[in-house]
Amino acid sequence: EVQLVESGGDLVQPGGSLRLSCAASGFTFSSYWMTWVRQAPGKGLEWVAYINSDGSKTYYVDSVKGRFTISRDNTRESLYLQVNSLRADDTAVYYCATVDWWTPHHWGQGTLVTVSS
Amino acid sequence: QSALTQPPSASGSPGQSVTISCTGTSSDVGGYNYVSWYQQYPGKAPKLMIYEVSKRPSGVPDRFSGSKSGNTASLTVSGLQAEDEAEYYCSSYAGSNTYVFGTGTKVTVL
Repeated sequence: EVQLVESGGDLVQPGGSLRLSCAASGFTFSSYWMTWVRQAPGKGLEWVAYINSDGSKTYYVDSVKGRFTISRDNTRESLYLQVNSLRADDTAVYYCATVDWWTPHHWGQGTLVTVSS
Repeated sequence: QSALTQPPSASGSPGQSVTISCTGTSSDVGGYNYVSWYQQYPGKAPKLMIYEVSKRPSGVPDRFSGSKSGNTASLTVSGLQAEDEAEYYCSSYAGSNTYVFGTGTKVTVL
């Protein structure tokens, strides 16, 4: 059974940084593209970033380019999202998900990032 | 990277059918057969219900079906059940390794 467990969300001040993690199990992690998707409180879903299976290629939504970095460690079966220069509008639940043909398939339960002073 | 357009709400009585539309452009919905639909309950993670326009993942009831015509995709839920009351989001590949979600539709079972 595919399991994805996110962690690392916290309350952080504007301009601050966090590193979100996603621990994967139940599938061959190194074979799959992965993605982060976020959801602001009471709002819809927003795709944030993709990373290919070996971590050599990354893609981002325009609003986070230069501030967020997606990465992975296939030996640890873990996905990461380094979020820097945080703004109030980055406040959201951040989900990791497996990807098949650009489509998020299996999702974790999410981790909440709150940006506030 | 504009969100796909969905109606804010839809409703139907138990046993009836409800159809949700998802309108994009030729750069996303109309340009690729990578349209998906997700079901989300409050406080829970989204669940994939339909992918590649009309395919159902294992375990998803065949009451859920998807289709596409031009720049508009649709999700139909037949034989509505109380458990189908949830938020539904469409999504699509949008080219250049980017992805876009819809605005969401709240389905109410009357």
